[in-house]
Formats: sequence, structure tokens, C-alpha cells
Amino acid sequence: GENVEQHPSTLSVQEGDSAVIKCTYSDSASNYFPWYKQELGKGPQLIIDIRSNVGEKKDQRIAVTLNKTAKHFSLHITETQPEDSAVYFCAATPRNYQLIWGAGTKLIIKP
Amino acid sequence: SQTIHQWPATLVQPVGSPLSLECTVEGTSNPNLYWYRQAAGRGLQLLFYSVGIGQISSEVPQNLSASRPQDRQFILSSKKLLLSDSGFYLCAWNEGLSYEQYFGPGTRLTVT
Repeated sequence: GENVEQHPSTLSVQEGDSAVIKCTYSDSASNYFPWYKQELGKGPQLIIDIRSNVGEKKDQRIAVTLNKTAKHFSLHITETQPEDSAVYFCAATPRNYQLIWGAGTKLIIKP
Repeated sequence: SQTIHQWPATLVQPVGSPLSLECTVEGTSNPNLYWYRQAAGRGLQLLFYSVGIGQISSEVPQNLSASRPQDRQFILSSKKLLLSDSGFYLCAWNEGLSYEQYFGPGTRLTVT
């Protein structure tokens, strides 16, 4: 079945710098790749997603890129701010509209 | 607009006691519903999903069960809790032919 690996598990960046989180997937049938942000004690919130027919998608300071050949996709956050500190999860959808999740990345923004 | 509710928000239960967590969705019809568990500092583990009333699929064999008595109500239960059942329980929904899942606020369960 599908397996999603996410790296790094923890990422610490200086406020104002960029952050990049990477995920790889194994099932070439996967065609939807969302990113979720989870703040402490809350449910995950969908922040951006990309479908397999698109290579890149941007929404203000966040962007996602997809490389179908290499089976990896990445989340890019530019001009990081303190409120970006959270745990970020990637996921892939190989079948039945169910999500296979990465293990999460704890993003720490240093002032 | 659609909203999803979970209760209780926190729960402390002794080992061997029963459990009932409830999730309801407003503003949509015939949603797909999901129960996830998240251990401290870990990722999301899918426990159950449902595509309609009375239709429950289990992803992980365990002492938990789920039921969907109404279209927009999803219940997670256990007859006897184990210490390993502690965690953050999340309910999510999406529309039948949509990929995007939307999560509730979660229930923090501590089994003592």
C-alpha cells in the first residue's frame, strides 16, 4: 500500500527566513496531496493542496511543489512569522478518497 | 457553512471503563466521516471511516468501535478502556467525491 515519508521531523528557522518540508510517496496512483497545519491542542487545518496534474501552487507566503516522476512534494513557507510555528502534516490519496499521512514536522520559528 | 463539533473536549477515564465520544457535522448532507487517533507527538492514525448511515469500515483492529446512527453523527466507543487508548481523538469529514478533509477540534483522552 501507499507509504508517505516526511522530513525533517523538526525544523528550526529564524523568523523571516524560508522553511521547506519534504514528503515522498510510494504509490504512483496517488493524485491528491494536501498539507495540514496543526497548532497545539487543535485539530489539523488544511492550508494548501495540489493535484497530480499541477506542478506548483501558491497561496501568499506558502507554496507546494510536486514532482510526479520522483514521487515527492514539498511545502515552502517564505518570510516565516511566529504564527507559523506548528506541526505540519503532508498526505497522499491513493484510493477511495482516503488520506495516507506523513509523520509530521514540528516547525519552530526563532525570534 | 459547514461546522464540525466534538465532545467532550477532554476526558480522564480509568482503565476498564467504557468510552463514548461524539462527533456531529452541520451544514452538509451524507458526508464521509472519519475517526483518527493521534498519540502524543505522533502522526494521525485512521481508526474508522463511514460513507453512510450504518456503514463503518475499520482500519485497525482494537478494542474500539464506531457507529453512525444518523447521517451527520459519528460515535466512537469502547466497552473497556486500555492505557494504550490514551491520545487525541479527531473526527473529520469530507463530501462524498471530494478529497479535502476537515477536522474537528478533537478530544483529549487520558486513561489512568
